[in-house]
Amino acid sequence: EVQLLESGGGLVQPGGSLRLSCAASGFIFSSYAMSWVRQAPGKGLEWVSAISASGGSTYYADSVKGRFTISRDNSKNTLYLQMNSLRAEDTAVYYCAKDRERGYGDYVFDYWGQGTLVTVSS
Amino acid sequence: DIQMTQSPSSLSASVGDRVTITCRASQNISSFLNWYQHKSGKAPKFLIYAAFSLQSGVPSRFSGSGSGTDFTLTISSLQPDDFATYYCQQTYTNPGTFGRGTKVEIK
Repeated sequence: EVQLLESGGGLVQPGGSLRLSCAASGFIFSSYAMSWVRQAPGKGLEWVSAISASGGSTYYADSVKGRFTISRDNSKNTLYLQMNSLRAEDTAVYYCAKDRERGYGDYVFDYWGQGTLVTVSS
Repeated sequence: DIQMTQSPSSLSASVGDRVTITCRASQNISSFLNWYQHKSGKAPKFLIYAAFSLQSGVPSRFSGSGSGTDFTLTISSLQPDDFATYYCQQTYTNPGTFGRGTKVEIK
C-alpha cells in the first residue's frame, strides 16, 4: 500500500524558515518524480515544486522560486521542502504527491499525503 | 498559463442523484485532463486521468468525458461517501494547473 506521510509544519514568523518532510513507502520511491502541492485557506490546489526521480532536476512555481528548495533522499525514501523567507501568503496545507508514471514527471498525481499545515504569522 | 474554470463552484444534491461537474480550459488541452476528489483534512484522491480513464479502484459511478476545452465529471448515483470537493487539472502543459474546485454538499 502506497503511503505518504508529511511532517514539519507549524507556526513560523514572516521571514522565517521551515523544512517539510514526506516519508514514502509502498512503492519504489527512487523510480518516481514527486511534487509538493499546497492549499491556502479557502483556496484551491496550487502546485509548488517538483523533483525528478533521480533528484537531478527540480522545478518551482514562480511564487516560491528563489525561496523554496525541493530535495529528496532516495536511500531514506524521503522528500523534502526547505522553505525560507516565508510570507503570510505561504500559509497553507502542504501535500506531497507521487507521479503516476515511472520515470518522467507528468504531473498526474496518483497518491497524495494527508498534508501538513504551515502558518506564517507574527 | 492555461486557466481552468470549473462550474458550478458548489452544488447541493441528494443521495442517488446524478451529478455533473464541468471544467473548461482557456485553450485546447486535447485530453490532458484529470479529476481529483478531496475531503477536508484528508489526502486528495485521484479519480480520472486522460479525460475519461478511471483510476484503478475508483467506483464505476464516476465517469469523465470531453476533449479540447470542455470536460465533464459525472457521478451517476451520488453516494454518501461522494460528498467532497472535486478538482480538475490540466497537464497539457507542465506543471499543470488546477481548477478552483466544485464542492458537492448534501441537500
